[in-house]
Amino acid sequence: GEDVEQSLFLSVREGDSSVINCTYTDSSSTYLYWYKQEPGAGLQLLTYIFSNMDMKQDQRLTVLLNKKDKHLSLRIADTQTGDSAIYFCAETQGSNYKLTFGKGTLLTVNP
Amino acid sequence: EAEVAQSPRYKITEKSQAVAFWCDPISGHATLYWYRQILGQGPELLVQFQDESVVDDSQLPKDRFSAERLKGVDSTLKIQPAELGDSAMYLCASSLSQGRGNEQFFGPGTRLTVL
Repeated sequence: GEDVEQSLFLSVREGDSSVINCTYTDSSSTYLYWYKQEPGAGLQLLTYIFSNMDMKQDQRLTVLLNKKDKHLSLRIADTQTGDSAIYFCAETQGSNYKLTFGKGTLLTVNP
Repeated sequence: EAEVAQSPRYKITEKSQAVAFWCDPISGHATLYWYRQILGQGPELLVQFQDESVVDDSQLPKDRFSAERLKGVDSTLKIQPAELGDSAMYLCASSLSQGRGNEQFFGPGTRLTVL
């Protein structure tokens, strides 16, 4: 089964907030990450959260972690058309801390 | 700003041919990763190097794929022979070292199409 699960699509209006959700399975994950991928490009790290934190805020981005439910969310405030991209949730696994990614959520921002 | 370089950006080949991809990590980064990203999926780790040593190649199809990082700097990923199912984006990433919290920086990727 899928280790990291995300909803595949999200559509919002420009200026609204976007919330992208993710569930993971490895309770020993120490770091959880959010990456952004624009069309035809590599991945850009947006933010990450350590497993002993509940929340992390970085400018327009807010990450919430519910460790009990193994649920991670990324909130983007005042979403702009430039935020349109695929967003990947990833967890660290194993002694070499390899990243395991979800399938990604396609965020579409409508003007 | 330092970046991970990859070449070529696009490669079209016929099945049964050999292909090779090159990656130059950010200077000073000891850990290098090759990922495969199939359309509509997240990246999947193929191989991880720490300096010139392989740390994890558990998902690398070793009958046809090989990877090397001879001097612990740049790296080559080879597929021989290529199959139709190998069509994907191949991403290289690097980090200062392996371990928790080390940010992985990704290159732009090589888009492979096998006909």
